[in-house]
Amino acid sequence: GNSVTQMEGPVTLSEEAFLTINCTYTATGYPSLFWYVQYPGEGLQLLLKATKADDKGSNKGFEATYRKETTSFHLEKGSVQVSDSAVYFCALSAYDMRFGAGTRLTVKP
Amino acid sequence: EPEVTQTPSHQVTQMGQEVILRCVPISNHLYFYWYRQILGQKVEFLVSFYNNEISEKSEIFDDQFSVERPDGSNFTLKIRSTKLEDSAMYFCASSEILASTGELFFGEGSRLTVL
Repeated sequence: GNSVTQMEGPVTLSEEAFLTINCTYTATGYPSLFWYVQYPGEGLQLLLKATKADDKGSNKGFEATYRKETTSFHLEKGSVQVSDSAVYFCALSAYDMRFGAGTRLTVKP
Repeated sequence: EPEVTQTPSHQVTQMGQEVILRCVPISNHLYFYWYRQILGQKVEFLVSFYNNEISEKSEIFDDQFSVERPDGSNFTLKIRSTKLEDSAMYFCASSEILASTGELFFGEGSRLTVL
């Protein structure tokens, strides 16, 4: 079946550091891929998405590229801020949406 | 901006009691979902609902769970006889089109604590 595997956390970085959170997927067909973010005490918010191979999703300085050849959708940001501290979920959608385990990011000033 | 709203935000119940969690999806959306997140764990799919019937459900969604859209605006999740392991955050979501291409919009969640 369809599934997502993402990098285990927690991840702790200093402000302005480079961020990568790895995500790989297993799917039949051609799913869409998403990154959702969950800030403390809040629900899930869409961060970015890509609906086909080689698409790049981007938002708020975050980027992820849909790589069919490596079945990956790694999240990157060049310079993280304290306000980026949250849990990040990689998700795959073919008929319904399936989430990875989540990666907690803490950014220290 | 339209949003998905959920009530209650937090419910505490005794084991064996029935619980109903309510959701008001975004008004022009056609697809509705329930997910749950046990504290500190992954977000798990429970069920999807379209055209007044369940379109898909996970192995978690057993006979103690049911969903309903009773009045064209609310979308409810009922847990008939709660167990300790049902303690979790339950998220409702809706989408305008099928999840494969569309964005799911999530509510802020209902925290269920079973004692």
